[in-house]
Amino acid sequence: DIQMTQSPSSLSASVGDRVTIACRASQSIRTYLNWYQMKPGKAPKLLIYAASTLQSGVPSRFSGSGSGADFTLTISSLQPEDFATYYCQQSYISPRTFGQGTKVDIK
Amino acid sequence: QVQLVQSGAEVKRPGASVRVSCKASGYTFTAYYIHWVRQAPGQGLEWLGWFNSNSGATDYAQRFQGRVTMTRDMSSSTAYMELSRLRSDDTAVYYCARDFSPYALHYIFDYWGQGTLVTVSS
Repeated sequence: DIQMTQSPSSLSASVGDRVTIACRASQSIRTYLNWYQMKPGKAPKLLIYAASTLQSGVPSRFSGSGSGADFTLTISSLQPEDFATYYCQQSYISPRTFGQGTKVDIK
Repeated sequence: QVQLVQSGAEVKRPGASVRVSCKASGYTFTAYYIHWVRQAPGQGLEWLGWFNSNSGATDYAQRFQGRVTMTRDMSSSTAYMELSRLRSDDTAVYYCARDFSPYALHYIFDYWGQGTLVTVSS
């Protein structure tokens, strides 16, 4: 199975901060990398797919980059509604696997 | 608007089976694959498999083969996931999720259900 490793596992940030979350795959997954946002009690939300394509309706402060094995999710200016846990997921090879998550909370 | 509404929480004994439902609305049910994903307490997300809502074909993650069954009721646009021979480590929130492109499999999940907590305890 492809292992997906996110860093950091958690971070504290303030509204307006620029936040960067890294995701590394145990082998190349080309650009088959997706990002999701999860909040307690709510359905998960697709943010970015194919490494850098913004899902319809997602604010432009979210962006994704990378290819091969190293990827990044960036929030350019953190908003109060962005405090959540973020997961990367590879859609390259079965079983499709997720990172362990990065929790973003209020500093 | 697209919605996936799941059935309520379940408590099961070890060795029992559980069936979770996922009722779709706001789109053509048979045009999209449905995936099932779970999250155990304090753990990450784990993909269980996919279901072709049109043909009824399935593909399950190897570690769940023999224990998981995915089906549907087209008349009610509802997908089902049944997990048998439950163990305590099957305690998790189970999600259904739609694949984002019609009549294609991309393993990109654009809409999710709200989740169903399944607790396995003696």
